[in-house]
Parts: sequence; C-alpha cells; structure tokens
Amino acid sequence: KAGVTQTPRYLIKTRGQQVTLSCSPISGHRSVSWYQQTPGQGLQFLFEYFSETQRNKGNFPGRFSGRQFSNSRSEMNVSTLELGDSALYLCASSLVTSGRIDTQYFGPGTRLTVL
Amino acid sequence: AQSVSQHNHHVILSEAASLELGCNYSYGGTVNLFWYVQYPGQHLQLLLKYFSGDPLVKGIKGFEAEFIKSKFSFNLRKPSVQWSDTAEYFCAVNVYSSNTGKLIFGQGTTLQVKP
Repeated sequence: KAGVTQTPRYLIKTRGQQVTLSCSPISGHRSVSWYQQTPGQGLQFLFEYFSETQRNKGNFPGRFSGRQFSNSRSEMNVSTLELGDSALYLCASSLVTSGRIDTQYFGPGTRLTVL
Repeated sequence: AQSVSQHNHHVILSEAASLELGCNYSYGGTVNLFWYVQYPGQHLQLLLKYFSGDPLVKGIKGFEAEFIKSKFSFNLRKPSVQWSDTAEYFCAVNVYSSNTGKLIFGQGTTLQVKP
C-alpha cells in the first residue's frame, strides 16, 4: 500500500500570503490529522477530520483551517502568514474500526518557510 | 490539560550499550500509548504501541516498552543499540475517551549512537 502523501514538499511564502497544503491518506483510512513541528514547540496537534467533519482542534488561531473531501483527502490552509508559521506540517492518517481510531501513520511533511 | 514528558532530551551512547528512554504522561483515564522514531531526513515511523493487554510490548528493530499504569509511564528500551538507531524518538499519548485522532507528543529525545 502506498503511504501518506503530502504535497508540496517544500514551500516558500512571504508574510501576509496564504497557503494550502494537501494530504492523501493511505487507502481505506478515513481519519486525517494535521500536526505542526517546530524546534521550539515540538509536535503540536492542529486538527483531525473524519468523514469530512472536524472532530477535534488544537490550540491554534483561526488562521489555520482545514477540510476533508469525500475521498478522505484533506487540505489545510493558513491565511495571513506570519514568520512564526515556518514549520514542518505533518499529516497522519488512520483506520477507524468499530468507531474507534487506530494507529496514525505519518506522511513526509510539507516544509513551509515564511519570509 | 494532558501532557507528555520525556526526561532525556539528548542521549549519547556507544554501540552495544543498553538504552532506556523515559516517558511520563499526565492523565488519569485510559490512554493509548505510542513511540515514534524520526531518522535523519525521514518521516515519523511507528516503533511500537500499547492499547491494552500485556503491558510489555515489543516493536520493530528490537525495541520494547513497558506500560506501568501506576507510574503513568511508558519507557522505551533496547538491550543493545546500533549506530543505525541514531534518530529522534517521540512518545505520544491518545486519550481513549476522546475517540479522536489527537496525539499529544513529548518534546522528543535525540539519540546519538557512536560507532
């Protein structure tokens, strides 16, 4: 099976711009979660989607948003970029079995640099 | 708020030495526990997980972890490390009752194995 794929792998943007990142989960995985990884804050949960619904959201400002499509692919959007948004953004997918979420498998990430 | 603490931020060992990385979490209810590894230039990979049952779990590449509920701990061990184990290791917790994909990560431990 193909793993979690994320596009693009690298992005350079300037302050004030917006950006959209894409994630394709492992086939059959219906839950997609997003994380931000920085040297200072480590890995922090952004949000999780299941069946096109956001089920949980981390402590991030409203500039961070996401969505999930009917094929389980997900996108996250960051508007009005700030320098502090420079990070590795990771997507993870998991099976949901009998209503319970299983192990999350991570993609390679999108490295976002804000200048 | 739930949190995960990894006691060792940077560990340096010689090949064949034994490894133990500490992980403690703060939550009194049922949790699912994970150790992930991030090799240089690679994405996060699952080492092992604990959902229920035998508190001693075995993972890939000779790693194992023991869940001690009374101590809220899930320490990672390997009897003899190899140079190829050089990586960053993350402990993560998922709160069972939330039934969402939110993983709470520790700050990570960088392991450097000297040949």
